[in-house]
Amino acid sequence: ETGVTQTPRHLVMGMTNKKSLKCEQHLGHNAMYWYKQSAKKPLELMFVYSLEERVENNSVPSRFSPECPNSSHLFLHLHTLQPEDSALYLCASSRWLDSYQRDYGYTFGSGTRLTVV
Amino acid sequence: SQQGEEDPQALSIQEGENATMNCSYKTSINNLQWYRQNSGRGLVHLILIRSNEREKHSGRLRVTLDTSKKSSSLLITASRAADTASYFCATDGSGETSGSRLTFGEGTQLTVNP
Repeated sequence: ETGVTQTPRHLVMGMTNKKSLKCEQHLGHNAMYWYKQSAKKPLELMFVYSLEERVENNSVPSRFSPECPNSSHLFLHLHTLQPEDSALYLCASSRWLDSYQRDYGYTFGSGTRLTVV
Repeated sequence: SQQGEEDPQALSIQEGENATMNCSYKTSINNLQWYRQNSGRGLVHLILIRSNEREKHSGRLRVTLDTSKKSSSLLITASRAADTASYFCATDGSGETSGSRLTFGEGTQLTVNP
């Protein structure tokens, strides 16, 4: 276990369903991230939360809606997805630091394998 | 846009040999990090090198950074079958005054044959 827990591990959903991905960390980190990993493509940064505020939204379609109720929990709400949204969704956490202090890596969860049918 | 590009895309070696993977990037960085991913699972942080460092070691790992060429290399010495995984470089841009946003390359798939 890395200290970052993602649930569920696998999810199959229809295009009209609504589901949520959950991420939880108890590492004392104050920044959390959602990444999308598709086959043959680099990891894509979707959302960044620092101190529970969204600081970045990388032009992600509105059918993906993040929520960060506190520094330990992060959700990704899914609604009317498309088959091309099938991918591995990875959550990560880290310390949120000024540039001169940034010498720590991210801790990733094991991911949620999402299949949209 | 893609920041890091790894080379080669795939590498197959025998146990005991050394494995070298390269990464190139395009913009100024605060630091560069290497991660490992076993098939379909999360990424594990291996090592971080800051922009003012040129070389760093951690166990069997050696990372070099050449900021003038915007490139880095990861060397795994005395490889083991358990090292079989995908390896990614990730850059933390220097343009951010606070926090970090890692940009990943496409990765190198390393296979170590027993």
